[in-house]
Amino acid sequence: AQTVTQSQPEMSVQEAETVTLSCTYDTSESDYYLFWYKQPPSRQMILVIRQEAYKQQNATENRFSVNFQKAAKSFSLKISDSQLGDAAMYFCAYSATRDDKIIFGKGTRLHILP
Amino acid sequence: DGGITQSPKYLFRKEGQNVTLSCEQNLNHDAMYWYRQDPGQGLRLIYYSQIVNDFQKGDIAEGYSVSREKKESFPLTVTSAQKNPTAFYLCASSMRGGPNEQFFGPGTRLTVL
Repeated sequence: AQTVTQSQPEMSVQEAETVTLSCTYDTSESDYYLFWYKQPPSRQMILVIRQEAYKQQNATENRFSVNFQKAAKSFSLKISDSQLGDAAMYFCAYSATRDDKIIFGKGTRLHILP
Repeated sequence: DGGITQSPKYLFRKEGQNVTLSCEQNLNHDAMYWYRQDPGQGLRLIYYSQIVNDFQKGDIAEGYSVSREKKESFPLTVTSAQKNPTAFYLCASSMRGGPNEQFFGPGTRLTVL
């Protein structure tokens, strides 16, 4: 069965600094997608970034980028120039290409220190 | 504006009562999902539906029921058989032929008194 593990329940970073959130997953599939979702205090889930497993190039969305290591089954999220609005719960998620379902990790709560 | 609505935002229920949570989307998505969120547990899938009049159990379906009579609507009933129903419930939708981004509603906080 596929699993997603986020080993850091909470993290803190100084405003304007860079922080990396870790995620590992387990799957026997070769074709899949990985996601990072953000849940701010409003609790509205928002997609931050997504990565196709067949693409070697790491996805980037403005200040958000990923480090995708397929062989190691690792998918970390880097947030550059952290802003107060980045404070949220971040969920790593996995979905096999053949599947509509998404499997979520337990989340990492990110605090931004002013 | 396209999106997903959930109502109500807060819901209180007495023990032994069934309660129905509403989820509506106007994104023309075929697939819809219900998740339960508890502190430290992430999102756990309750039920999902890929087409009208069809749905499948997720990881924690016991004590819950759903219907999918219309493409736009996917209500969730929390029955009295659900032993610990107090939680935050999220509805999502996506296009079929996964994996596609799931779009989420604002959630419903259910509290059993």
